[in-house]
Parts: sequence; C-alpha cells; structure tokens
Amino acid sequence: DSGVTQTPKHLITATGQRVTLRCSPRSGDLSVYWYQQSLDQGLQFLIQYYNGEERAKGNILERFSAQQFPDLHSELNLSSLELGDSALYFCASSVLGFRENEQFFGPGTRLTVL
Amino acid sequence: QQQVKQSPQSLIVQKGGISIINCAYENTAFDYFPWYQQFPGKGPALLIAINPDVSEKKEGRFTISFNKSAKQFSLHIMDSQPGDSATYFCAPRGYQKVTFGTGTKLQVIP
Repeated sequence: DSGVTQTPKHLITATGQRVTLRCSPRSGDLSVYWYQQSLDQGLQFLIQYYNGEERAKGNILERFSAQQFPDLHSELNLSSLELGDSALYFCASSVLGFRENEQFFGPGTRLTVL
Repeated sequence: QQQVKQSPQSLIVQKGGISIINCAYENTAFDYFPWYQQFPGKGPALLIAINPDVSEKKEGRFTISFNKSAKQFSLHIMDSQPGDSATYFCAPRGYQKVTFGTGTKLQVIP
C-alpha cells in the first residue's frame, strides 16, 4: 500500500458527461501528480500541483482540469467526455516537487465512457 | 515525436534466467532515470533509479546500466522469479517533465 488513496475505484459514464476523480496524497506529501494510462497512449503525465498551486503541465486536454485543496487532496475534473477518455487515471504524490526521487502511485480510477 | 523508446514490448524468461529491458531517450535535459514495476490492477511502483553521474547501480537482483553518450539505460533482472512477472516502465525525468516508456510485459515461467 503506497499510502495514496483514490476514489472511486471504477466509474462508468456516458459520452458528454462530466466526472470528478479524487486523490488523497500520502501524509506529509505536498505534491500531487495526475497520470492517464490507456492502451494506445501508454502512461502519460497530465498535471502536477504543489501545495495548492499548479506547477507543471503535461499532455492534459483543455476539457480536463484539476485543483489541489488546502488539505492537499486533489480532484481531476473531466468534462465533455469522449469514448477515447476511457482509461486508468492514476494519482501520485511526493514530498516535494518534480526533482523528488520517488513518486508514490495510488491504485487508480478506471473510467469507462460508453 | 516519440522521446522514449522501450524494448522489447514483451519478454518471456525461464525462472533463474536474466531479463533485460532497454530504454532509449532523446531529451538531454533528463537527469533522473527510474524503472517502475506495475502489477495488474495496481499503480506503478518505483523499482530502481539512477542519476546520470554513475554508469551502473545494483540493488539486490536488479541492476541499471546507464550509457549517457548513447542516451540509453537498461534494467537487468538477475535470477528472474515468477513473482517478477509484471509490466516494467522506464520513465526518464527532467525539470517538470517526465516521459514514460511504452512498457515491457515480463513473464517468468517456472
């Protein structure tokens, strides 16, 4: 168990809908990272937050947004969902920022868009 | 343009054998070179990592070999065990940037 929790574990929704994925980092970790893992694109970095502020952006679509709250949990919002958004979404956390040696990954949320 | 190329895509090794997975990268700004292990239904977990100032790092049965001039690094698993059956990702990282390889599915057969 990495200490990173993600909810829900599974999510099934329809095209055009909006969903919110939640992540609680390990105790003491200030950075949260979001990743998307799909069969055709592999594992891709989406976005990083550090202590409530956006720090780095990867291949995140404009339909997606994220935020980190004062208690350091983070939410990833996916809107106008398309079939191609079906994937595993992982959250990871680390004590500091990107140069931190280790990121701890959560168990993921499996999103299915029908 | 693909920045990280990982090979092979899949690998079958006999128990006790050596598993070798390779990763080639293009971005010279990468300065941290980890390998992650992922079991089905789980998130990736850091297995072993190397900084660019050394050419090799060994932790138990796992070794990273790093060739800075060739922009390549590899994972060697000695005495491979069935419990090593998983998907392995290289994920070279730089300032505010990380790129994962496409993954190698390793199967160790008894």
